[in-house]
Amino acid sequence: GAVVSQHPSWVICKSGTSVKIECRSLDFQATTMFWYRQFPKQSLMLMATSNEGSKATYEQGVEKDKFLINHASLTLSTLTVTSAHPEDSSFYICSARDTGAGGVQYEQYFGPGTRLTVT
Amino acid sequence: SQQGEEDPQALSIQEGENATMNCSYKTSINNLQWYRQNSGRGLVHLILIRSNEREKHSGRLRVTLDTSKKSSSLLITASRAADTASYFCATGGLLYGNNRLAFGKGNQVVVIP
Repeated sequence: GAVVSQHPSWVICKSGTSVKIECRSLDFQATTMFWYRQFPKQSLMLMATSNEGSKATYEQGVEKDKFLINHASLTLSTLTVTSAHPEDSSFYICSARDTGAGGVQYEQYFGPGTRLTVT
Repeated sequence: SQQGEEDPQALSIQEGENATMNCSYKTSINNLQWYRQNSGRGLVHLILIRSNEREKHSGRLRVTLDTSKKSSSLLITASRAADTASYFCATGGLLYGNNRLAFGKGNQVVVIP
């Protein structure tokens, strides 16, 4: 149980185009999902918190107009990188909390990540 | 903001030896978690220790937490080649009510068969 999938697993796009990355919780519902980016040999940096049915909460320094987040259902959040540039090339990882878990649930379940390369 | 900060280490050990890595953080926490990441993959949750716990075991893993020193350690006993990965600690609080995690820099562990 508690599986999170991401699609695509990797994508190459041209500079100036937009790319959408999907994050799905497969066997649980998640009112809250998180989006991270990770540069090579570095740690994960939280970009934003995705809330089902409401606006995402962005971390300081993350451009909300560039990284559009939509959490339209309890099992799906999408991250769209708009007008991508080579510096947006990174590993994007999502995670989700199991809303239905009893009590307070601290553990986050991570997707396998999406490798974005902007040429 | 990054709360969990372990000394970025690269450990290279022989199979069967123990691997120890540390993590320090700066603010009050609700819990601290350790994750493993294989190269180019997502994160796998290993173990969670709550702020009122001092030690926790899970299989070959042993985690300690010292809230007075704001530090934690992860011990992997009898290491195996499959333990080769990056290990991250992450601190959880109740910031904004949604329990965001702050990740540390990570420790690269290489277990030589």
